[in-house]
Amino acid sequence: KAGVTQTPRYLIKTRGQQVTLSCSPISGHRSVSWYQQTPGQGLQFLFEYFSETQRNKGNFPGRFSGRQFSNSRSEMNVSTLELGDSALYLCASSLPYLAEYNEQFFGPGTRLTVL
Amino acid sequence: AQSVTQLDSHVSVSEGTPVLLRCNYSSSYSPSLFWYVQHPNKGLQLLLKYTSAATLVKGINGFEAEFKKSETSFHLTKPSAHMSDAAEYFCVVSDRGFGNEKLTFGTGTRLTIIP
Repeated sequence: KAGVTQTPRYLIKTRGQQVTLSCSPISGHRSVSWYQQTPGQGLQFLFEYFSETQRNKGNFPGRFSGRQFSNSRSEMNVSTLELGDSALYLCASSLPYLAEYNEQFFGPGTRLTVL
Repeated sequence: AQSVTQLDSHVSVSEGTPVLLRCNYSSSYSPSLFWYVQHPNKGLQLLLKYTSAATLVKGINGFEAEFKKSETSFHLTKPSAHMSDAAEYFCVVSDRGFGNEKLTFGTGTRLTIIP
């Protein structure tokens, strides 16, 4: 079974631009979560989508948004990029019906550099 | 609110000696606990996970962790370190149950293996 895939793997943008990152979950997984990883702040939860609805949200400004499609693929968008948005963006998918624990499977990430 | 504290930001051990990475957690509910590993320029890989089934959890590559509720700890151990274990390790907590896919990460422990 293929793992979580993220595209593109690397991205360079300039301040003020916007960017869209894509995530394809493991087949059958319906929950997709996004995380931002930076040296200063570590790994922080952005948001989680399930059945095309945002179900959980972290403490990020409204410039960060996302959506999920009917095939469970997800995109996240960052508008009006700032230098501080440079980070590794990780996507994770899970089977949300396993209520006992919530194991998430991570993709390789998209490395975003804002100049 | 849930949180984890990784007590050491950097641990160095000699190859063939035991590894101990320390983690304390805080959770309002019965938690799910995980250890993830991240090799340089790679995504996150699940090492092991705690459910309520057993307090001693065995994971991949010879790692194991013991859940101690009285001490709110979930330390990661390995009897004999290998050069390939050099990586960043994250202790992670999640409230258990459907709809609780948000993971809260510790700040990470960088493990260095001395030849």
